[in-house]
Order: sequence, then structure tokens, then C-alpha cells
Amino acid sequence: NAGVTQTPKFRVLKTGQSMTLLCAQDMNHEYMYWYRQDPGMGLRLIHYSVGEGTTAKGEVPDGYNVSRLKKQNFLLGLESAAPSQTSVYFCASSSMTGGRTEAFFGQGTRLTVV
Amino acid sequence: AQSVSQHNHHVILSEAASLELGCNYSYGGTVNLFWYVQYPGQHLQLLLKYFSGDPLVKGIKGFEAEFIKSKFSFNLRKPSVQWSDTAEYFCAGRTYGQNFVFGPGTRLSVLP
Repeated sequence: NAGVTQTPKFRVLKTGQSMTLLCAQDMNHEYMYWYRQDPGMGLRLIHYSVGEGTTAKGEVPDGYNVSRLKKQNFLLGLESAAPSQTSVYFCASSSMTGGRTEAFFGQGTRLTVV
Repeated sequence: AQSVSQHNHHVILSEAASLELGCNYSYGGTVNLFWYVQYPGQHLQLLLKYFSGDPLVKGIKGFEAEFIKSKFSFNLRKPSVQWSDTAEYFCAGRTYGQNFVFGPGTRLSVLP
């Protein structure tokens, strides 16, 4: 049981390049999330999904797009990377049982935009 | 708006000292509360959670937390810390139908 798996783990991009981060979960969770973590700012929600085919904006969605074509996968895209997007990105998932469930996190992707 | 605050940005303790990390939330209605730990270079892992019932909840690795509704608090405690507890600790809250809200985190450094 792998839980939540993120790929890649590290990436360096040049300004203006694009990339996609993949998140996969094997717990049959309805909810999936993308967060970014920056020093002193905790976790900020980028986008989330409450089910296959649905996505919604979080706290800091600008510059990112997401897709949830399959229940187990949640993709985060950067169309034109900027240095301000240098961060550690975490994917998480949770089940749909109201608020009574914790979030399970992936190992993170460390992205550097130069 | 729902929010979670953590009192301390960075706590430094010696081994065997007692630990208490503060967490306050601002939610209306029923709230579910969590403490997560992030060891250096790793992902967030759940320490403990509170949904209802006994306000004193015990988690992994000897951690516990107490839910005090009147103070909107959910402080994390450990009687005796170890060097291996060095990590960042996040308090989080969630209500029905809403997303998780995380506090800014508290960095704990335990000196051997």
C-alpha cells in the first residue's frame, strides 16, 4: 500500500518552462489537494478536487492548473514557470466522510525555478 | 474566515524537557483538529486527531493534545522530548464540507 505518491521528487526549471507534477493515491479517496510550502508560511492550498472530473481553486491558484481525469490521479501544471514558484509542493488526499478524516501526504516535490 | 494560529515560531529545548506547543483555532460549529509532524526533508505525518469525545487525545511517539473548547485551543504536549523529536509541527482544523486549514507551523529544535 503506497499511499500518496508524487513524481518527480526534485526538479529544476528555467523561467518560462512548463512542467506537470503527478500525484497518485491508492486509497480510493475522493478528495485530493495540492499545497505549496514556503519557509515561515506553512502550507498554502493551491487547488483541490472533491471527485473525479472536478477541480476548484484554493488560496494561491494563480500560475497553476490542475486536472483530475482519474480518481486516483491529480495533476498540477505550471504553464510558464516563474522564480516565485520555487517551493516544495505536497499532494494530499482524504476520504469524503465529512470532516472526520485526516489528510495523507505525499513525499513532496522540491521545485527550483531559475 | 476559519483560521488556525500557532503561538510559537521556533522552540528550542534540551532533551528530557517538557514540551507544549500552542494552537488556537477560529471556527464556528463543530471542528475536527489535527497535529501533524514534518521531520527534516520528509512529508507531513499525522501525530494525533480529535473529532469528539474525550478532549485529551493521545497520539504516536508519546504525544498528546488537549481540546479546550472554551479557549478555542488544541495544544500539543509531550512530557519528555528526545533529540529525534526535532521537526516542524503543524496544527490543522477542518469542518464538515470544508478544506483543511493549517497553521504556520512551529519549528522544534531539541538539543542533545
